[in-house]
Amino acid sequence: AQSVTQLGSHVSVSEGALVLLRCNYSSSVPPYLFWYVQYPNQGLQLLLKYTTGATLVKGINGFEAEFKKSETSFHLTKPSAHMSDAAEYFCAVQSDTGNQFYFGTGTSLTVIP
Amino acid sequence: EAGVTQSPTHLIKTRGQQATLRCSPISGHTSVYWYQQALGLGLQFLLWYDEGEERNRGNFPPRFSGRQFPNYSSELNVNALELEDSALYLCASRTRVGDTEAFFGQGTRLTVV
Repeated sequence: AQSVTQLGSHVSVSEGALVLLRCNYSSSVPPYLFWYVQYPNQGLQLLLKYTTGATLVKGINGFEAEFKKSETSFHLTKPSAHMSDAAEYFCAVQSDTGNQFYFGTGTSLTVIP
Repeated sequence: EAGVTQSPTHLIKTRGQQATLRCSPISGHTSVYWYQQALGLGLQFLLWYDEGEERNRGNFPPRFSGRQFPNYSSELNVNALELEDSALYLCASRTRVGDTEAFFGQGTRLTVV
């Protein structure tokens, strides 16, 4: 069965500092992995996804994530945090049947001016 | 192209009443997913509809039900509302197969008083 673990329910960074949000997955087959962002009282917006090919995936708003099979990780990074990055971030894995999505519990990112 | 639309945006109900939430998927998408996002609990999978059929449901009581119409829009019904049903209900749609991500609506905020 697939599952996702997000380490750290709350992360605080200073404006301009590196953002690192951690995600580990379990999957019996090569996974499809996703990062979503949710701003207050809104739905989820796709940041980036990994399906096949290049393991370093670039997304919107300067975010990127690297798929590391050996570590079963898909951590999200951004070199320099901006105030507008403050939001909830969710990592998700697609089921091996391709029809379900399993979400992590989310990480709330606070950016300190 | 219109995104996933949900209505109403906000809904206030009294304990014991019924609530009906609606979702229109992106044109061409046949799968609709419903999630409950209660405060501090992340996204909890409720229901998955595809091609008019319920394909899977999460660990929720039977008073949570729904359906998918021939035009692939969907309705979520919650009967005998309880205070703990207060949450943001998110609908997502996607094409049926492949490596496509799920696209989310803005959600319906249900408050049970």
